[in-house]
Amino acid sequence: DVKVTQSSRYLVKRTGEKVFLECVQDMDHENMFWYRQDPGLGLRLIYFSYDVKMKEKGDIPEGYSVSREKKERFSLILESASTNQTSMYLCASSKGGREVQETQYFGPGTRLLVL
Amino acid sequence: AQKVTQAQTEISVVEKEDVTLDCVYETRDTTYYLFWYKQPPSGELVFLIRRNSFDEQNEISGRYSWNFQKSTSSFNFTITASQVVDSAVYFCALSEAPRSDYKLSFGAGTTVTVRA
Repeated sequence: DVKVTQSSRYLVKRTGEKVFLECVQDMDHENMFWYRQDPGLGLRLIYFSYDVKMKEKGDIPEGYSVSREKKERFSLILESASTNQTSMYLCASSKGGREVQETQYFGPGTRLLVL
Repeated sequence: AQKVTQAQTEISVVEKEDVTLDCVYETRDTTYYLFWYKQPPSGELVFLIRRNSFDEQNEISGRYSWNFQKSTSSFNFTITASQVVDSAVYFCALSEAPRSDYKLSFGAGTTVTVRA
């Protein structure tokens, strides 16, 4: 079974703090993704990575950055947290490949509250 | 523009009732993929099914079934004889053609509550 883990289930941070959300997958997947989930909006893609040290912007990258130094780990960074970044953050991974859309598998999510 | 529309925000049923979740998608691609995910209260999205645009055959897996109709751009999901454990948020998602961004477009989700 694919296992995607996220470092925290719940986080409370203050406005202006730098926040790190960590994601690890154990299936040697090449692709990794960060989404945020908000009521009524479904999941929106923040950033994704298709290889080590590679990153691509998703639909809502503003206010976020990412780091992928190792294949199994993908970090989401909030450089200066703001209250509008209070949300549920979900990490996902999938096999690489351009011939077929591989299934994305998700972690348990991190609920972030920015005060 | 919203590429995936799940018009039902919430559905509440009594145990053993059937429940159908609607999903309408929009794409100009001829090759695309459709997905359903379940998100129980624990928060983790659980993959349920993936279909490609060339396979319109309906699928049944236990109490779950899916009806894919390209003519109406719909990929509906039915839970037969619902159980309390089916209570969750269900998401439909679309991926348009193999492409470098591997992007999934999600619907807003439908919250299903099954009452004992």
